[in-house]
Amino acid sequence: DSGVTQTPKHLITATGQRVTLRCSPRSGDLSVYWYQQSLDQGLQFLIQYYNGEERAKGNILERFSAQQFPDLHSELNLSSLELGDSALYFCASSVGGYPGELFFGEGSRLTVL
Amino acid sequence: DAKTTQPPSMDCAEGRAANLPCNHSTISGNEYVYWYRQIHSQGPQYIIHGLKNNETNEMASLIITEDRKSSTLILPHATLRDTAVYYCIVRGDYTGTASKLTFGTGTRLQVTL
Repeated sequence: DSGVTQTPKHLITATGQRVTLRCSPRSGDLSVYWYQQSLDQGLQFLIQYYNGEERAKGNILERFSAQQFPDLHSELNLSSLELGDSALYFCASSVGGYPGELFFGEGSRLTVL
Repeated sequence: DAKTTQPPSMDCAEGRAANLPCNHSTISGNEYVYWYRQIHSQGPQYIIHGLKNNETNEMASLIITEDRKSSTLILPHATLRDTAVYYCIVRGDYTGTASKLTFGTGTRLQVTL
């Protein structure tokens, strides 16, 4: 158990819909990272937040957005969903902004039909 | 961050040592070598990291060559539960709060009876 909690574990929805994935980092961790893993793309970094502020951005689509709240939990919002958005979405956390040792959650599996 | 090269797959007999190589010939002086693994669709798990010296923890040993252009992760007594994709990542020693960890394609280790 990494201490990082992600909900929901599984989500099935239709194209065009919007979903929100939630992540609770380990106690005391200030940084949250979001990764997407689809079958043909491997683990792709999406975005990082540190203590409520966006700090690093990867290949995150404009249809996707994220935020980190004062209690440090984070949400990843995916809108206008397409079939290609079907993937595992992982959240990770670390104590500071230096991500040497990341602690990953078990992921949220999104299926878009 | 320096690029890494790993073999796509390796086999290892249970009980034997698994030696996973990684080439990082463009590594610079302040960059660390990290190893993570991902067991079938679970969240990636941190294994070990090092800068120059060899490192050992309860999971594995990391051997870094003197010129730091390559390294080897050693699982001393592989078990079936070590079957996973192993990622070698090179990361700079940033002190800021903006950062990310970039995962490549890794080595798929299959441990067999």
